[in-house]
Parts: sequence; C-alpha cells; structure tokens
Amino acid sequence: DSGVTQTPKHLITATGQRVTLRCSPRSGDLSVYWYQQSLDQGLQFLIQYYNGEERAKGNILERFSAQQFPDLHSELNLSSLELGDSALYFCASSVARGETQYFGPGTRLLVL
Amino acid sequence: DQQVKQNSPSLSVQEGRISILNCDYTNSMFDYFLWYKKYPAEGPTFLISISSIKDKNEDGRFTVFLNKSAKHLSLHIVPSQPGDSAVYFCAASALMNYGGSQGNLIFGKGTKLSVKP
Repeated sequence: DSGVTQTPKHLITATGQRVTLRCSPRSGDLSVYWYQQSLDQGLQFLIQYYNGEERAKGNILERFSAQQFPDLHSELNLSSLELGDSALYFCASSVARGETQYFGPGTRLLVL
Repeated sequence: DQQVKQNSPSLSVQEGRISILNCDYTNSMFDYFLWYKKYPAEGPTFLISISSIKDKNEDGRFTVFLNKSAKHLSLHIVPSQPGDSAVYFCAASALMNYGGSQGNLIFGKGTKLSVKP
C-alpha cells in the first residue's frame, strides 16, 4: 500500500458527460501528479500541483482540469468525454517536487 | 518522439537466474531515474532509483546501473522469483535542470517480465 488513495476505482459513463476523479496523497506529501495510461500508450504525465499551485502541465487536454485543495487532496475533472478518454488515470504524490513518486491504485474510466 | 525507451516488450527468465531489464533515454537533461513494477489493475510500485551522480545503486535483490555516456540504464534482479513477474517501467525526470517542469516523470512503455518456476 503506497499510502495514496484514489476514488472511485471504476467509472463507467457516456460520451459528452463530465466526471471527477479524486486523489489523496500520502501524509506529508505536498506534490500531486496525474498520469493517464491508455491501452496503447505508456504512462503519460498530465499535470502537477505543489502545495495548492499548478507547477507543470504535460499532455493535458483543454477539456481536462485539475486542482489541489488546502488539505492537499486533488481532483481531476474530465468533461465532454470522448471514447478515446477511456483509460486508467493514476495519481502520484511526492514530498516536494520530482523525487520518488508514489502511485495510487488508479481509476479505470470507461466511456461508452 | 520517445525520450525514454524500453526496447524489449517482454522478457522470460528461469527462477533463480538473473533478470536484466534495459532502458535508454535521449534527453541529457534527465538526472534522476526510477524503476517501477506494475501488476495488472494496480498502480505502479516504486522499486529503486538512481541519481545521475551515481552509476550504481543496490537494494536487496535489485540493482540499477546507469551509464550516462551511453544514456542507458539497466535493472538487475538476482535471483529472480516467480513473484517478480510483472511489467517493469523505467522513468526519468529532470529534477534540477528544468525551470517550471521539474519533477514530472517520463515513462518508457514497459517490459513484461515472466519468471518461470
């Protein structure tokens, strides 16, 4: 158990809908990262937050957004969902920035 | 263009023998490298890391070697055990070298290791 929690574990929704994925980092970790793993792709970095502030953006679509709250948990919002958004979404956390990241169990999103 | 490459999609070894997983990178700004192990339907589990100031790091049965001039790293598992069967991801980051984007990991596509009893 990495200490990073993610909810929900599974999510099935329809095209055009909006969903929110939630992540609680390990106790004491200030950075939260979101990654997407599609069937034919490796883990792709989406976005990073550090102590409530956005720090880095990767290949995140404009339809996707995230935030980190004062209690350091983070939410990833996915809107106007398309079939191609079906993937595993992982959250990771680290103490500060960049050193070893610990991953949550992931949320499996299926868009029908 | 893939900055981190794991050219072997799969590897099969006998229990008790050595497993060697390889990873190549192209970005000379990378200064921190990690290996993760992943079982199906679970998140990646951190195994071992190495900073670019070192060329070797050991942790129990796991050793990571870094060859900066060749931009190559490898993970050695000795002895291999059936429980080691999983997908192994190599990842890299530029902790000190990028201004606003330090920290995010760039992953290879993984190597599926099968350890046969």
